[in-house]
Amino acid sequence: GDSVTQMEGPVTLSEEACLTINCTYTATGYPSLFWYVQYPGEGLQLLLKATKADDKGSNKGFEATYRKETTSFHLEKGSVQVSDSAVYFCALYTGANSKLTFGKGITLSVRP
Amino acid sequence: DAGVIQSPRHEVTEMGQEVTLRCKLISGHNSLFWYRQTMMRGLELLIYFNNNVPIDDSGMPEDRFSAKMPNASFSTLKIQPSEPRDSAVYFCASSNRQGSSDEQYFGPGTRLTVT
Repeated sequence: GDSVTQMEGPVTLSEEACLTINCTYTATGYPSLFWYVQYPGEGLQLLLKATKADDKGSNKGFEATYRKETTSFHLEKGSVQVSDSAVYFCALYTGANSKLTFGKGITLSVRP
Repeated sequence: DAGVIQSPRHEVTEMGQEVTLRCKLISGHNSLFWYRQTMMRGLELLIYFNNNVPIDDSGMPEDRFSAKMPNASFSTLKIQPSEPRDSAVYFCASSNRQGSSDEQYFGPGTRLTVT
């Protein structure tokens, strides 16, 4: 079945540090890939997405590239801010009458 | 649009009581998802509907849980009787399925505490 594996957390960084959060997936067919973010006390919201191989999703300074050869969709940001402190979920979707398959999520804390 | 609306935002109840959580979808969306989130188990999909029809309820923990969509824009998740281990944040999300992409819009959640 479909699955998403995220690196173990939590992650604590200083402001302006570089961020990479690893995500790999297993899926039948050609999934769309997503990163969702959950700020404290809120529901999840879409951060970025990519629908086919080699696509790059980007938003709020975050980027992730759909790598079919390595079945990965790593999230990166060159300079994190305190406001980026949140839980980040990688997810995939494979088609009609299907569901989003989420990773376990990883908590990012950014220190001033 | 107001987004996905959930009520109540917080619910505290005693073990054995019935709990009903409510969700209003974004206008025009045709899929509805109920999730539960706890520290121990993370984010779990309980059930989802497409065009008011339940597609997959394999995540529903047991018969104490039931979910309905009485119309295209509204859903309820009922727990009867409730137990302390049901304490969690319950989210609903809606989407408008089309093509190969599925962006889900989450509500703010209902924090349930069963004492």
